[in-house]
Amino acid sequence: DAKTTQPPSMDCAEGRAANLPCNHSTISGNEYVYWYRQIHSQGPQYIIHGLKNNETNEMASLIITEDRKSSTLILPHATLRDTAVYYCIVRVFGQTGANNLFFGTGTRLTVIP
Amino acid sequence: DVKVTQSSRYLVKRTGEKVFLECVQDMDHENMFWYRQDPGLGLRLIYFSYDVKMKEKGDIPEGYSVSREKKERFSLILESASTNQTSMYLCASSPRGVLQETQYFGPGTRLLVL
Repeated sequence: DAKTTQPPSMDCAEGRAANLPCNHSTISGNEYVYWYRQIHSQGPQYIIHGLKNNETNEMASLIITEDRKSSTLILPHATLRDTAVYYCIVRVFGQTGANNLFFGTGTRLTVIP
Repeated sequence: DVKVTQSSRYLVKRTGEKVFLECVQDMDHENMFWYRQDPGLGLRLIYFSYDVKMKEKGDIPEGYSVSREKKERFSLILESASTNQTSMYLCASSPRGVLQETQYFGPGTRLLVL
């Protein structure tokens, strides 16, 4: 699995868009980009995933660069409840065998009132 | 909504005790996982199971065992707890098939071994 690099922390004003970057320069052609978040004292929560096209769901948008070496998770209108650690993971979709996810240290997003 | 529940949020045990951590999911998922999470180390996979009575070692299985007698339940067992097993333990489940990589996590059990 490709490694990912994320900034350790970011702040965002409440109501503004939060843009969380992730570098995955060694990503291979069949690896997807996944985002999870973990709110303090809770288990990780799946947010979104994508391969090469931009994706959007009710929680967030995922923008993947054309060369797929980096991506950005966008929370369009951050709320205080979005304060969490955000993890970017790259993974082969549907890989059999060890179906685990490698979580790094992520980005701690703090939404400021 | 998928629900993954864990038997305890907080647990305090003594060195040498046998510890059982229970995880139950209500969405008929085939795959279940046990992770531990420690500061600076992210999540590390201990064991996983892709079917009843099936189990596979993850990255750090030493000192742990698991049991999957029913599809909805996956138990993690510390045969003889040690202080270096003090950690946050997270259970997860996922369906086999199209979205098998989307894992749903429980709230976690914070274990302290004295």
